[in-house]
Amino acid sequence: AQSVSQHNHHVILSEAASLELGCNYSYGGTVNLFWYVQYPGQHLQLLLKYFSGDPLVKGIKGFEAEFIKSKFSFNLRKPSVQWSDTAEYFCAVNAGNTDKLIFGTGTRLQVFP
Amino acid sequence: DTEVTQTPKHLVMGMTNKKSLKCEQHMGHRAMYWYKQKAKKPPELMFVYSYEKLSINESVPSRFSPECPNSSLLNLHLHALQPEDSALYLCASSQDPVGYGYTFGSGTRLTVV
Repeated sequence: AQSVSQHNHHVILSEAASLELGCNYSYGGTVNLFWYVQYPGQHLQLLLKYFSGDPLVKGIKGFEAEFIKSKFSFNLRKPSVQWSDTAEYFCAVNAGNTDKLIFGTGTRLQVFP
Repeated sequence: DTEVTQTPKHLVMGMTNKKSLKCEQHMGHRAMYWYKQKAKKPPELMFVYSYEKLSINESVPSRFSPECPNSSLLNLHLHALQPEDSALYLCASSQDPVGYGYTFGSGTRLTVV
């Protein structure tokens, strides 16, 4: 069965620091990969996705992620975080040929001014 | 219309009550989903409908009963719930292929008393 791991459970940064959140999945076939953000009290919003093509994908709010197939990873990056990036971040994986979208355990990001 | 609309936003129900959650999308998406999200946890898949037919049931207790009356509507009927069923219930829909993305509603915050 497919699974998704996010090893960073809680990350604390100062504004302007760089961010990298890890995401690893276990599934040997074709995958579609997503990062979602959930601001306090709000619903899930799609940050970016990898479907095919260039493994370096750019999303909203200055976020990007790189799909490294050999490492089964899809890490999220942002060069300079802002206080408004404080939120919960979820990596999610859809194994090809299924409808299931499975979420990682999430990473809570706190950014201090 | 690029949204998934869920009603009600908040629901408090007793353990002997029967209630329903509603979800609507007008994006022509093929598949619709119910997820359950407990506080500080990732969303967990409950049900998937594809072309109005139930395609995935993640071993959800029978006190939760999904229904898909048409391609735009998805209901979740609730009966004899337990306090531990209190959670945020999220509806989502997806295009075909699913790699193009999933769109989530803002959820129904359910409290069982």
